[in-house]
Amino acid sequence: EIVLTQSPGTLSLSPGERATLSCRASQSVSSTYLAWYQQKPGQAPRLLIYGASSRATGIPDRFSGSVSGTDFTLTISRLEPEDFAMYYCHQYGSSQGTFGQGTKVEVK
Amino acid sequence: QLQLQESGPGLVKPSETLSLTCTVSRGSISSSSYYWGWVRQPPGKGLEWIGSIYYTGSTYYNPSLKSRVTMSVDTSKNQFSLKLSSVTAADTAVYYCTRITREWLSPNYWGQGTLVTVSS
Repeated sequence: EIVLTQSPGTLSLSPGERATLSCRASQSVSSTYLAWYQQKPGQAPRLLIYGASSRATGIPDRFSGSVSGTDFTLTISRLEPEDFAMYYCHQYGSSQGTFGQGTKVEVK
Repeated sequence: QLQLQESGPGLVKPSETLSLTCTVSRGSISSSSYYWGWVRQPPGKGLEWIGSIYYTGSTYYNPSLKSRVTMSVDTSKNQFSLKLSSVTAADTAVYYCTRITREWLSPNYWGQGTLVTVSS
């Protein structure tokens, strides 16, 4: 099973600041099958990034994804008030999917 | 726009079988472009991938749940289903049904979720 480890667990930032979220895979993961989700309390997750770096429909360009080896990064260039939420990475490989444990982006 | 709606009992007794159905609206479950899946989230915790199914009936399960999980699809009703047997309190969670693109294998549509509580 591929384990995704997200860091940090909590990110305390102010609106307008840059957020950098990390997702490290325990073994090789195809970038094609790496996605990022945003979840707000009481809501279903929303797809932000698929294929490691492609923005989903309707996602603002302040959200971007990148990869270096087994390290995947979600960057929010300038935090808007609505961006404070939980973020999860997800991968699919070897006929199964896994999620990271999540990073909470909170208001400092 | 595609809609997914979970339905099923909100309360299940320990050792019994949890059964949920997802109804797909404004889209066809028989499309070759998608898989259909289930994800759950215990209260206050993270997301867990349960498994996925193709319209042909091919299934892929989380190894940690495989012995207890059965998924099925009913193309005539545009529905797919989840059964989880021998439930315990640890299976208490919000259960989401999802649509998964074959190209990216990432859920891109989610139902609103349904809370299933395991308790006597």
